Amino acid sequence: GAVVSQHPSWVICKSGTSVKIECRSLDFQATTMFWYRQFPKQSLMLMATSNEGSKATYEQGVEKDKFLINHASLTLSTLTVTSAHPEDSSFYICSASRSSSGSVGYEQYFGPGTRLTVT
Amino acid sequence: RKEVEQDPGPFNVPEGATVAFNCTYSNSASQSFFWYRQDCRKEPKLLMSVYSSGNEDGRFTAQLNRASQYISLLIRDSKLSDSATYLCVVTPMDSSYKLIFGSGTRLLVRP
Repeated sequence: GAVVSQHPSWVICKSGTSVKIECRSLDFQATTMFWYRQFPKQSLMLMATSNEGSKATYEQGVEKDKFLINHASLTLSTLTVTSAHPEDSSFYICSASRSSSGSVGYEQYFGPGTRLTVT
Repeated sequence: RKEVEQDPGPFNVPEGATVAFNCTYSNSASQSFFWYRQDCRKEPKLLMSVYSSGNEDGRFTAQLNRASQYISLLIRDSKLSDSATYLCVVTPMDSSYKLIFGSGTRLLVRP
């Protein structure tokens, strides 16, 4: 149990376009989902936390108007990178937690990630 | 200063070797500690939690030293399949859900 999927697994887009990434919890209801970004040889950085049915909480330095997060159901969260630029090229990983506002780390289940390349 | 610091490595060891990684964290109020494993271009996977009393899971032993603010991971009898990047992760006192990742230590186990 506790499987999280992401789609697409990789995407190449042109500068200025928008890209939507989906994160789904396949066998459990995720009250909280998290979006991370990882640049090459760097650590995963939390971008935002979303609870089902409410607005996402963004980490300092993450532009909420550029990275739109929707958590409309207990099994689906989406991240839309608007007007993507080459510097947005990164590995985007979501995780899901069963409990409200998440819990300690062992209850976060990670998706396989989406590799975004903006040309 | 980074909140979680790790030696990036790589640590290149032969099969069967024992290898140890250390990690330091800057926030003394951190409350939970973990080691994750990340394979190339994959998501991180929880390896083990780290407790003050130390804990062991098969060939893996984790230790926490709160006074010195460091965490260690010991891998005994290394296998080729242990080759990966090991991520040290802490959660701050004020946000139990927030995972703060180190940039990882890369391990290469050679035949």
